[in-house]
Amino acid sequence: DAGITQSPRHKVTETGTPVTLRCHQTENHRYMYWYRQDPGHGLRLIHYSYGVKDTDKGEVSDGYSVSRSKTEDFLLTLESATSSQTSVYFCAISEQVSGPWDEQFFGPGTRLTVL
Amino acid sequence: SQKIEQNSEALNIQEGKTATLTCNYTNYSPAYLQWYRQDPGRGPVFLLLIRENEKEKRKERLKVTFDTTLKQSLFHITASQPADSATYLCALMGQAGTALIFGKGTTLSVSS
Repeated sequence: DAGITQSPRHKVTETGTPVTLRCHQTENHRYMYWYRQDPGHGLRLIHYSYGVKDTDKGEVSDGYSVSRSKTEDFLLTLESATSSQTSVYFCAISEQVSGPWDEQFFGPGTRLTVL
Repeated sequence: SQKIEQNSEALNIQEGKTATLTCNYTNYSPAYLQWYRQDPGRGPVFLLLIRENEKEKRKERLKVTFDTTLKQSLFHITASQPADSATYLCALMGQAGTALIFGKGTTLSVSS
């Protein structure tokens, strides 16, 4: 998986609790992304980062925040988890040396269940 | 807003046949389009990128076409094998040029 790890891989939590998912890369790629994948919706972008401390919102950012204090780590926080945030979360990285069309490399995913 | 559609949720074919998957997009003219493969329980894996001026691109048994007039990309797997069974996603860069927009995917099943 191109030097990308996600932790935890599985998590069950209760409504209203904060949850933080971690993405760690060893590739030194500049761009990092958080997606969620749900049946009937496909992959949807939550937030992305284009450098340390540089982040921007994606299509479905409400209820999520991110932080990137180091090149290798990109954290996704659910401030107060809701059942609608039950999903599989994927982290991706991209070098984008050639341009924004560079391929993305995906992590193994985190399955989150909010009860 | 940009919209990307993969017409078939599922496609079943016999081993040895050619699988053809369709990706249509609207309200946008992307400069390039990507295809990914996703196996159950795993993250997507990049397969091919095609630019708008390339029309066709090949990689081993894979072929991708890009018709900017029809706003459509076709993804072909020739001499399909059971190991090709997976979900295939097409993606294009959004108009802001910062993030990919993915289709919902087509799940291909190749039977022996």
